[in-house]
Amino acid sequence: KAGVTQTPRYLIKTRGQQVTLSCSPISGHRSVSWYQQTPGQGLQFLFEYFSETQRNKGNFPGRFSGRQFSNSRSEMNVSTLELGDSALYLCASSLKSLRGRDPNSPLHFGNGTRLTVT
Amino acid sequence: AQSVTQLGSHVSVSEGALVLLRCNYSSSVPPYLFWYVQYPNQGLQLLLKYTSAATLVKGINGFEAEFKKSETSFHLTKPSAHMSDAAEYFCAVSDPGVYAGGTSYGKLTFGQGTILTVHP
Repeated sequence: KAGVTQTPRYLIKTRGQQVTLSCSPISGHRSVSWYQQTPGQGLQFLFEYFSETQRNKGNFPGRFSGRQFSNSRSEMNVSTLELGDSALYLCASSLKSLRGRDPNSPLHFGNGTRLTVT
Repeated sequence: AQSVTQLGSHVSVSEGALVLLRCNYSSSVPPYLFWYVQYPNQGLQLLLKYTSAATLVKGINGFEAEFKKSETSFHLTKPSAHMSDAAEYFCAVSDPGVYAGGTSYGKLTFGQGTILTVHP
């Protein structure tokens, strides 16, 4: 079974531009979460989508947005890029994000998109 | 809110020696805990998860972790380090989110990570 696929692997953008990152979850996984990883702040949660709806959101400015499509694929968008947005952006999928705990559905991560803002 | 503290940002061991990576958590709900490993230029790979079924959890690559509620700890161990174990390790706790339709479990709160170096 294919893992979580993120495209592109690397991106270089300039300040003020916007960027869209793509994530294809593991087949059958309906929940997609996004994380930002930086040396200074570590791994920080951006948002989570399930059934095309945002279920949870981290503490990031409104420049960061996302969406999920009916096939569970997800995109995140960052507008008006700042130097501090340079990071590894990780997408993770899980089988469920529902009422009731399901400990057998941990997050499975992709290899990330490395975004560099100059 | 949930939080995780990993003691020691760098741990160095000799090949064949015991690996011990420390993790303490704070959780307002019964915790679900995870250890992930990250190799350079890669995403996170799940090593093991604590799901309340057993306090000693065995994972992949010979790693295991013990949940100790009284100490709020979930330390990761491996009896004998291998060169291929060199990587960064992250402890994480499930941080549920409540929304109009229920509770979501897609958010993890991670520790700051521990870089494991293995010397020949």
